[in-house]
Amino acid sequence: DSGVTQTPKHLITATGQRVTLRCSPRSGDLSVYWYQQSLDQGLQFLIQYYNGEERAKGNILERFSAQQFPDLHSELNLSSLELGDSALYFCASSPLGTGARETQYFGPGTRLLVL
Amino acid sequence: AQKVTQAQTEISVVEKEDVTLDCVYETRDTTYYLFWYKQPPSGELVFLIRRNSFDEQNEISGRYSWNFQKSTSSFNFTITASQVVDSAVYFCALSDRYSNYQLIWGAGTKLIIKP
Repeated sequence: DSGVTQTPKHLITATGQRVTLRCSPRSGDLSVYWYQQSLDQGLQFLIQYYNGEERAKGNILERFSAQQFPDLHSELNLSSLELGDSALYFCASSPLGTGARETQYFGPGTRLLVL
Repeated sequence: AQKVTQAQTEISVVEKEDVTLDCVYETRDTTYYLFWYKQPPSGELVFLIRRNSFDEQNEISGRYSWNFQKSTSSFNFTITASQVVDSAVYFCALSDRYSNYQLIWGAGTKLIIKP
């Protein structure tokens, strides 16, 4: 158990809908990262937050947005969902905001299925 | 551009055999970080090791060992006396300043350990 929690574990929704994925980092970690893992594109970095502020952006679509709250939990919002958004979404956390100069610990993931 | 290549898509061995998973990376940076993660069938990503480019010492942790060779840009992972519980997808990843210290992932190697 990495100490990172993600809810829900599974999500089934329809095209055009909007969903929110939630992540709580390990105790003491200030940085949160979001990743998407799909069959065709593998693991891709989406976005990083550090202590409430956006720190780095990866291949995140405009339909997707995220935020980190004062209690350091983070939410990833996916809107106007398409079939291709079906994937496993991971959250990871690390103590500081130095990206992968430090170890990132991953949550169990949220499996999203868009029908 | 940075790149991580895991040429072995799938490896199948019988329990108790030794197995080596290959990872070859490309980077222009002189300071970079390499990682291995394990993704068992349950789906979570489990951190295994982080290695800095300036530390070429090989590492052993129980049945796991890692061979880092800068001369060949490789960071290979060996499991000795494999067990069925080692069955998983294993990912190698790289971060450097050109990736803004975000993780660049290999495609993964699926390891199947047969009883």
